[in-house]
Amino acid sequence: SQTIHQWPATLVQPVGSPLSLECTVEGTSNPNLYWYRQAAGRGLQLLFYSVGIGQISSEVPQNLSASRPQDRQFILSSKKLLLSDSGFYLCAWRAGGYGYTFGSGTRLTVV
Amino acid sequence: AQSVSQHNHHVILSEAASLELGCNYSYGGTVNLFWYVQYPGQHLQLLLKYFSGDPLVKGIKGFEAEFIKSKFSFNLRKPSVQWSDTAEYFCAVIGDSGYSTLTFGKGTMLLVSP
Repeated sequence: SQTIHQWPATLVQPVGSPLSLECTVEGTSNPNLYWYRQAAGRGLQLLFYSVGIGQISSEVPQNLSASRPQDRQFILSSKKLLLSDSGFYLCAWRAGGYGYTFGSGTRLTVV
Repeated sequence: AQSVSQHNHHVILSEAASLELGCNYSYGGTVNLFWYVQYPGQHLQLLLKYFSGDPLVKGIKGFEAEFIKSKFSFNLRKPSVQWSDTAEYFCAVIGDSGYSTLTFGKGTMLLVSP
């Protein structure tokens, strides 16, 4: 069966520190992968998506970057976190059709 | 560009009350519509979806939604809510193009009091 893993579940990081969130998908190949951020009162905002290895599209200019080093791995990074980067980060995949499957999310608090 | 508007940010109901959450979208072509739910401490889950056909779609847990193309709406309904329906509800839209991505509304937090 197809599953999506995200870690860590929670993270508290100081301002200015780096960030690396990882998402992996199992049971499918060549999925479209997405990073969303959910901030209080702002719904889910698409940050990045990838249709293949090394292919990244950015939806919103910001302090974050994404990489896809392997077919089923999608990484969200930052060199220096800002307070405004706090939020709930969700990884999602789409193997075909229009349905998305979401990971369990990472709650990031920047202090 | 597509966008989604959810009318209410917070809704408080008593058990057995009827629920209707509004959702309007804007998109210049054929759309596919979704309602997702996020229960406290849990994953985002698909509640129901509309791709084509009967505009009244039924989802899990007694929820239904009606696609009204002329009003660009996809409102979520449930005749009688339960305490366990307390959650955040998100309306989402994706266009028919292969390049389209899923766009969410800001969400509606539903609190059902027992």
